[in-house]
Amino acid sequence: GAGVSQSPRYKVAKRGQDVALRCDPISGHVSLFWYQQALGQGPEFLTYFQNEAQLDKSGLPSDRFFAERPEGSVSTLKIQRTQQEDSAVYLCASNLLRITGTDTQYFGPGTRLTVL
Amino acid sequence: GQQLNQSPQSMFIQEGEDVSMNCTSSSIFNTWLWYKQDPGEGPVLLIALYKAGELTSNGRLTAQFGITRKDSFLNISASIPSDVGIYFCAGRGGAGGTSYGKLTFGQGTILTVHP
Repeated sequence: GAGVSQSPRYKVAKRGQDVALRCDPISGHVSLFWYQQALGQGPEFLTYFQNEAQLDKSGLPSDRFFAERPEGSVSTLKIQRTQQEDSAVYLCASNLLRITGTDTQYFGPGTRLTVL
Repeated sequence: GQQLNQSPQSMFIQEGEDVSMNCTSSSIFNTWLWYKQDPGEGPVLLIALYKAGELTSNGRLTAQFGITRKDSFLNISASIPSDVGIYFCAGRGGAGGTSYGKLTFGQGTILTVHP
């Protein structure tokens, strides 16, 4: 497709369940970012991939959060033993280059996670 | 996590009015960006600013990169109903960012335009 796609668009989980969120970046894009957007807030950085290498995971809130991009294209964000505070929209973004000067980050539509 | 200070939080205006919003940071950024987010969608880039003092326009939008590199503003002239949405500032690079382009966002300005 032409843009970044994410699936599922909506996910409802019971507290304690594990979830997996998928991101398909724009084809050929080297850099991939995950952001978490709580209700009424701006997105906050979670983690960054350059191809298959996870170069920064400093934004992951706890060790229950895990992300991977094994072949340097599709990425999965996994949350184990979900808690209510994990409820948020999870946004994926990609850009073409690994070093950004004027490069644009393109965002997907997000996955809205609700933990009951 | 760190977020930029964006104001106002919300604005209610009449169609045709001009709008101004701004963003400040305690850290220096190399790039300032303004995004718009519609319900159920991801942010879409409106304007990017790359040099301190730069003033850039995109149609009815005008944005400036503050001379101290710690602030930016966005103006929308002659607002129309489709301007409704949430506007976010974001900083990239510099002391407040990383070499690979992690974005730090403001809290957003919710814009409502009455016809």
